[in-house]
Order: sequence, then C-alpha cells, then structure tokens
Amino acid sequence: DAGVIQSPRHEVTEMGQEVTLRCKPISGHDYLFWYRQTMMRGLELLIYFNNNVPIDDSGMPEDRFSAKMPNASFSTLKIQPSEPRDSAVYFCASSLRLTGPDTQYFGPGTRLTVL
Amino acid sequence: SQQGEEDPQALSIQEGENATMNCSYKTSINNLQWYRQNSGRGLVHLILIRSNEREKHSGRLRVTLDTSKKSSSLLITASRAADTASYFCATEEREGSNYKLTFGKGTLLTVNP
Repeated sequence: DAGVIQSPRHEVTEMGQEVTLRCKPISGHDYLFWYRQTMMRGLELLIYFNNNVPIDDSGMPEDRFSAKMPNASFSTLKIQPSEPRDSAVYFCASSLRLTGPDTQYFGPGTRLTVL
Repeated sequence: SQQGEEDPQALSIQEGENATMNCSYKTSINNLQWYRQNSGRGLVHLILIRSNEREKHSGRLRVTLDTSKKSSSLLITASRAADTASYFCATEEREGSNYKLTFGKGTLLTVNP
C-alpha cells in the first residue's frame, strides 16, 4: 500500500480564497483523521470520520472549515474563505481501529500558506 | 491547554549517547503513544503503552509510564544521527463513544555525528 496520500503537498493562496485539501486513506482503514500543526499550538485534531461518517468535529476552529468523506477512499478539508492565521501544515491520518495497537498512519501533510 | 507536555523542548547529544524525553499529562488516559516526525514529514508511530503497563521496549526504545505521577519517558539508547527528529507523546482518552488523542508540542532531538 502507498500509505496515506495527501494533495497538494504545498498550497499558497491569498486571503479570501477557497482552499481544498485532499486525502486518500490506506485501503481498508475505517477511521480517518484531519490534524493541523502550527508552532504555536502544536498538533490539533480537527475532525475524524468512522466509515465515512463524521464522528467528532469539535476541533474544527470555525464555520469556515468543513470536511467531507464521500466514500471510503477520499476525504476533503475545505477552508472558505481562507485567512492568514489558517497557515499551517494539515495532516490526514487513517487507522484500522479507533484505539489499541492499530495506530494512526499519517500522510506527508499539506503545507498551507495564506498570504 | 495541552494534555501532553514534552520536556525538554530541545535536546542535542552526540551519536552513541542515550536520549531521554519526558511527557507529563493532566487527566486519566487509556494509553499513551510516542511518535517521531522527521523534518517536513508526517508523524510515524513508535510505541504504545497502555495505562496498566509500566514499561515497554521496542528495539532501542524504552518507554515507561507512571500513572500516579501522570508522566511517561522515552529513552533512545545508542543514538544515531538518523534519530534526529521531533518526538511527540500523545495521550488517548476514551469514555464511551468519546475519543480524544491529544499531542504535545514535541521534543526536538538532534544527534550529532
């Protein structure tokens, strides 16, 4: 398996623009997680899905952020409109189970810069 | 506030030396995990220790967990330059259907050849 795939790897956009980040989890993994990493706040869980259904989105910072998982092999994280404070590295991770020895496998991340 | 807090924030050692990183947390946990992140890459899981375990080994890694002190340590023995990375502890809380995995801000380890 190729692991968790994220695209794009880098995104530079201007304030006010819509940004869509994409993730393909490892095949067969039932859980998908979106994280944001910044120097100030570290790694934060934004939302996670189980079998394509959002389970907990309490980490989503505000209504400008939305995430979808239309099928088991694809998820998107959308920011509309984007703001400079959204600049961060966004990681997607997937796992077979929620807890226990089946740990989360992280993608390489998307580095987002909002000017 | 952060559930897991690593200490120190940065550590620089010579190849062959041992590296110890600590993690403190605040609430009851289901398990504690350690991850490594190389510069510009995603996190890679290293080891998981359950709340009823006190020590676990994996290769050159040794993890301890003291639930009474709400702390954990990661020891890397005989370090190599390739161990240079950021190391994160993550605490897992699980209550019914509620799940939370909270990461600390990490320890940046530099192993000098």
